[in-house]
Amino acid sequence: QLQLQESGPGLVKPSETLSLTCTVSGGSITGSYWTWMRQFPGKGLEWIGDIYHSGSTNYNPSLGSRVTVSIDLSKSLFSLKLRSVTAADTAVYYCVRHAGDSRYDYWGQGTLVTVSS
Amino acid sequence: DIQMTQSPSSVSASVGDRVTITCRASQGVRNWLVWYQQKPGKAPNLLIYAASNLQGGVPSRFSGSGSGTDFTLTIDSVQPEDIATYYCQQASSFPYTFGQGTKLQIK
Repeated sequence: QLQLQESGPGLVKPSETLSLTCTVSGGSITGSYWTWMRQFPGKGLEWIGDIYHSGSTNYNPSLGSRVTVSIDLSKSLFSLKLRSVTAADTAVYYCVRHAGDSRYDYWGQGTLVTVSS
Repeated sequence: DIQMTQSPSSVSASVGDRVTITCRASQGVRNWLVWYQQKPGKAPNLLIYAASNLQGGVPSRFSGSGSGTDFTLTIDSVQPEDIATYYCQQASSFPYTFGQGTKLQIK
């Protein structure tokens, strides 16, 4: 059974960089897209971006150049960096597998990141 | 960006009722439409992918239909465990976008 687990700081100061890691276990990290999503306190959901095992990425233009998603095949994990955060980036962040054909089938439990001084 | 509009924003139903939730895209998304169920404190759970394909392990009372701009999630014979918020998402054009959610309550 595939499992995804987010890890990283739960509190980030404004203007700093949010860094999260998603560890994939119970299955292969190759052959799928790996996605970051977030859910704001008001419950709206946002697609942040994704990465294929080849390293090709797609990002939400609303985040501009602030976002980077990377993958480490040897460690079976992928990561999110979001720079210059503000309070508007406070959300629950999820890592998700996109198995293709719009099948977002495995989600991490989510991790709350609060941006505050 | 493609805007996804769900209706209704909330629905109250009795156990055994049929419930229909609609999702409209501001432009065509072919059949790249996903439905999720989310219970409080939990991650969204995939119900339907590619508009009408039931994810493994999801009860058959859930079904999806539609293509292009108009989609429907139907729950036949609602059960108490179906209390949740339901979201649609388009996976046709970047950036992928979500509907605002429909909260299902049991009368």
